[in-house]
Amino acid sequence: GQSLEQPSEVTAVEGAIVQINCTYQTSGFYGLSWYQQHDGGAPTFLSYNALDGLEETGRFSSFLSRSDSYGYLLLQELQMKDSASYFCAVSRSSNTGKLIFGQGTTLQVKP
Amino acid sequence: DVKVTQSSRYLVKRTGEKVFLECVQDMDHENMFWYRQDPGLGLRLIYFSYDVKMKEKGDIPEGYSVSREKKERFSLILESASTNQTSMYLCASSLTHNEQFFGPGTRLTVL
Repeated sequence: GQSLEQPSEVTAVEGAIVQINCTYQTSGFYGLSWYQQHDGGAPTFLSYNALDGLEETGRFSSFLSRSDSYGYLLLQELQMKDSASYFCAVSRSSNTGKLIFGQGTTLQVKP
Repeated sequence: DVKVTQSSRYLVKRTGEKVFLECVQDMDHENMFWYRQDPGLGLRLIYFSYDVKMKEKGDIPEGYSVSREKKERFSLILESASTNQTSMYLCASSLTHNEQFFGPGTRLTVL
């Protein structure tokens, strides 16, 4: 089967660093994406990794290890507005853009 | 900015009704997608389209059909709505294989 595993909930305090892990088992892998979704809002794209290593975009970084079928999203200097759900998603094709999404991790940032 | 719009934010229908959900994107994207989102299950792909009049089943196509007569518009059709189709429906579009742009979603309730 095809599956992505990520923790269902994570809690952290403002200013801290949090890591959200994602392990995947899929037939076909082209890359790993991360999306953020605030309550009542639409998912928005955060990052994409096709190659092993760390990609940094401001306070957010994303890591991929293809050999371990594992990736993570790292959020630094947490702010209250980072409270949201975070989804990892695997690209199964290079041209159609089909994604398989994980179940999502709800991040609660406390003061 | 890419804009993806959906015809309704909230919709209430009765069991057995035919339901049309419309999605329009304004960035000339080839790929368009329909997902449903349920608590604890993440986003699940219903159908996607990679060109006008081209469509492919996703992971949960049963009970749904789609139509793409124009590049910018992708419609999801529930031929005979059932209560287990009560959900949040999200439309997305993409140009590449990684970043998808989502609409605001339609929360459908089937009574």
